[in-house]
Amino acid sequence: DTAVSQTPKYLVTQMGNDKSIKCEQNLGHDTMYWYKQDSKKFLKIMFSYNNKELIINETVPNRFSPKSPDKAHLNLHINSLELGDSAVYFCASSQAPGENYGYTFGSGTRLTVV
Amino acid sequence: AQSVSQHNHHVILSEAASLELGCNYSYGGTVNLFWYVQYPGQHLQLLLKYFSGDPLVKGIKGFEAEFIKSKFSFNLRKPSVQWSDTAEYFCAVKTSYDKVIFGPGTSLSVIP
Repeated sequence: DTAVSQTPKYLVTQMGNDKSIKCEQNLGHDTMYWYKQDSKKFLKIMFSYNNKELIINETVPNRFSPKSPDKAHLNLHINSLELGDSAVYFCASSQAPGENYGYTFGSGTRLTVV
Repeated sequence: AQSVSQHNHHVILSEAASLELGCNYSYGGTVNLFWYVQYPGQHLQLLLKYFSGDPLVKGIKGFEAEFIKSKFSFNLRKPSVQWSDTAEYFCAVKTSYDKVIFGPGTSLSVIP
C-alpha cells in the first residue's frame, strides 16, 4: 500500500490553464505538506496543514491554493498556470508538527507548463 | 535567515571509495537534522535523523552522520559506496515549529 500517494504523476498543460494535484496519505499522520522542487533540484516548502488547518504558508503566489478536506488529504490547485510553475511538486506527511519525526514523501507530480 | 548549505554540488566516486558529504546550517538554537536521499526518478526517502543524544547517528544502507554543534555541521559518511548509491542527497534542518529547510542537494555518481 502506498503511504503517500499523489495524482497525477505527470501533468502537461498550457499556460493560463487551471489544474489540481491530489495527495492522500494512509499513515494516520496529522500534518501534510507541499514542496516544490525546481529544475536544479532545490526543494522549497510551500504549505503545511495540521489536521485541516493551515500552519505554514510560504511566499507563494496566490494562484496556488491548498485545500484539505480532511487530515488524510491535501490537494493543490493552481490557477492561471505560468511557465515558471514547471517543477516537480512533492506532497509529504508527518505524524505531528513539532514532533521528532521525519517526513514521508509522495512520489511527486511532474508539472510541465507549455 | 535560516539556511542550509551543502559543500558539493556533484560528487563522482568509484565503487568502494569512501564518501563524505558536507552540510552546514545557520541557526543558533536547537535543531533537528536529517539526511534524505532521492534515487533517480523517485521520491525522497529518509536516510537518518538527529534530534538529541549521541551526535553520531547511524542510518539505513550503511550511512552515518555526525552532528558537530560547534561547527553547525551534519556531515554524511559511508565507508564504501556502491553503484546503487547513485542519487541526490539532501541535508535538512528543522528549526521552528515544523518548518523544515532543505539544502540545495548533492548529486552523487558512483562509477562501477
